[in-house]
Amino acid sequence: DAEITQSPRHKITETGRQVTLACHQTWNHNNMFWYRQDLGHGLRLIHYSYGVHDTNKGEVSDGYSVSRSNTEDLPLTLESAASSQTSVYFCASRPGGRTDTQYFGPGTRLTVL
Amino acid sequence: DAKTTQPPSMDCAEGRAANLPCNHSTISGNEYVYWYRQIHSQGPQYIIHGLKNNETNEMASLIITEDRKSSTLILPHATLRDTAVYYCSTLYGNNRLAFGKGNQVVVIP
Repeated sequence: DAEITQSPRHKITETGRQVTLACHQTWNHNNMFWYRQDLGHGLRLIHYSYGVHDTNKGEVSDGYSVSRSNTEDLPLTLESAASSQTSVYFCASRPGGRTDTQYFGPGTRLTVL
Repeated sequence: DAKTTQPPSMDCAEGRAANLPCNHSTISGNEYVYWYRQIHSQGPQYIIHGLKNNETNEMASLIITEDRKSSTLILPHATLRDTAVYYCSTLYGNNRLAFGKGNQVVVIP
């Protein structure tokens, strides 16, 4: 079955380190998204991509970057991890049409010490 | 970008219909309304979406007012497994979903 996966599921890192969270989908969806979820804030969009080599900033993009070299993957990089980036991160994908369903991955819980 | 507002929490009785309201008074004519739910810390799960007509699927029904300023998600027979945070979202810009803080629904035995 097609699916969307994230790795690692849990990660602990130190302030200042570079961290990359992986997202992989097997649906061949054009659109991919990264969200973070914190208590009291719901889901907030970090970055998104509408296709290979396309990336766009969301509402909370500072300190994060993404690259899209193929359809299946959209890795999220924290260039220099900060304690404020401790959060649960969700990746999502959708085909691209306005009525298409968006599917979410299982999430990555990141702790920055 | 249309914003949505939901009550922060609500309880409903097991076996009864649960009616979850959402206000989206700034929605534009071509923006769809989507509903998702999140159980524990899992990834959000799609429930249903609509534009102006009422919609029904195996999980729920979606009632959208004629002026499209609000909608109601109906879980016809709530079960304990329906306890979750429910998000009402709109699709804005270039196919981006805008999520609010959600409605924590607790189904009570």
